Amino acid sequence: DIQMTQSPSTLSASVGDRVTITCRASQRISNYLAWYQQKPGKAPKLLIYKASNLESGVPPRFSGSQSGTEFSLTISSLQPDDFATYYCQEYNSFWTFGQGTKVEIK
Amino acid sequence: EVHLVESGGGLVQPGGSLRLSCAASGFTFSSYWVTWVRQAPGKGLEWVANIKQDGSEKHYVDSVRGRFTISRDNAKNSLYLQMNSLRAEDTAVYYCASLRGFGGYDPFDYWGQGTLVTVSS
Repeated sequence: DIQMTQSPSTLSASVGDRVTITCRASQRISNYLAWYQQKPGKAPKLLIYKASNLESGVPPRFSGSQSGTEFSLTISSLQPDDFATYYCQEYNSFWTFGQGTKVEIK
Repeated sequence: EVHLVESGGGLVQPGGSLRLSCAASGFTFSSYWVTWVRQAPGKGLEWVANIKQDGSEKHYVDSVRGRFTISRDNAKNSLYLQMNSLRAEDTAVYYCASLRGFGGYDPFDYWGQGTLVTVSS
């Protein structure tokens, strides 16, 4: 089974900061990687699919990239609405999620 | 506008059964794979099961295979999850969601609000 390892587990940042979250797949998954944002008590929201494609309606400050089996989600300038938990997900074999990264206010 | 509304959650004893439902509207339900995802209290997301447009193909996470059954009724725009032999570790909010594309290997673009299942004596 493919394992998805996210880092860090928690990230403390300030409004305006550039933040990057990393997700590493235990096997090759091509570019079948998605990123989600989840706020407390709410359903997840799809941000990025196929590693770097922005879902409709998602602000362009969010971006995704890939280097082999390592994937990154970058928020170019953190906004108050961005404090949340972020999950990566592979959908190359099954639909496995990473363990999540909580972005909190510094 | 796409809506997915789950129902059927509640408190059940270990070893018991529960059937979750998800009512879909605002899109052509029969054209998409759909899925169940769960989230234990304070924990991360776990994919549970997927079903193809016509119900002919289903996938399950190992921890529920043989205990849970995913099904759908396209005439009623509805998705179901029959959960048997429930365990304490099945306690979670259960979300239904639709897959973004048509092929099955796609991310989940529309989600319901979730329904809480609590397995406890």
